[in-house]
Amino acid sequence: ELKVEQNPLFLSMQEGKNYTIYCNYSTTSDRLYWYRQDPGKSLESLFVLLSNGAVKQEGRLMASLDTKARLSTLHITAAVHDLSATYFCAVTGTASKLTFGTGTRLQVTL
Amino acid sequence: NAGVTQTPKFQVLKTGQSMTLQCAQDMNHEYMSWYRQDPGMGLRLIHYSVGAGITDQGEVPNGYNVSRSTTEDFPLRLLSAAPSQTSVYFCASSYSRTGAGEAFFGQGTRLTVV
Repeated sequence: ELKVEQNPLFLSMQEGKNYTIYCNYSTTSDRLYWYRQDPGKSLESLFVLLSNGAVKQEGRLMASLDTKARLSTLHITAAVHDLSATYFCAVTGTASKLTFGTGTRLQVTL
Repeated sequence: NAGVTQTPKFQVLKTGQSMTLQCAQDMNHEYMSWYRQDPGMGLRLIHYSVGAGITDQGEVPNGYNVSRSTTEDFPLRLLSAAPSQTSVYFCASSYSRTGAGEAFFGQGTRLTVV
């Protein structure tokens, strides 16, 4: 059974600081997705990582994938308040069904 | 382009009542799925469909039924609502028939069972 773990579950950080969210998964997969969810809203796709070593960047967010270590990271550079949200990673497992991590709630403070 | 549309946005049910959550997409996606989101548990797959006439169970299917008569629509039926089904429900669709592609989500239905 595919398990996806994220850490930390909650992250409070100051504006301007850097931090990394980690996503570990338990079985082989070559597709990993990052989503953002604002409170009371739906999920918005951020990144699609399709191969080992894939790196994608959008603004202050950068995601990478290491399929050998079964690890993806979401790096936040010089955080701003607008990045406050919950971030989910999701991995394609058996029969290509998506399995989600429990999410990381990010709070960026002034 | 509407994307994935869910109705209703909010619903309160009494224990034992039944209801249908509607989901429609206009992107001609083959793959559609239903998730429930509970605090601290991420999203869990209820049922999914890889095309019209084909459905299968996900991780937490008990108490829910689905059907897929058209490519566009994928309704979720609660047969006899229980307080444990209080949750936020999301419908999603993906261009890939296998579900391996990027998923697009509806706005969610917040369901309370009293």
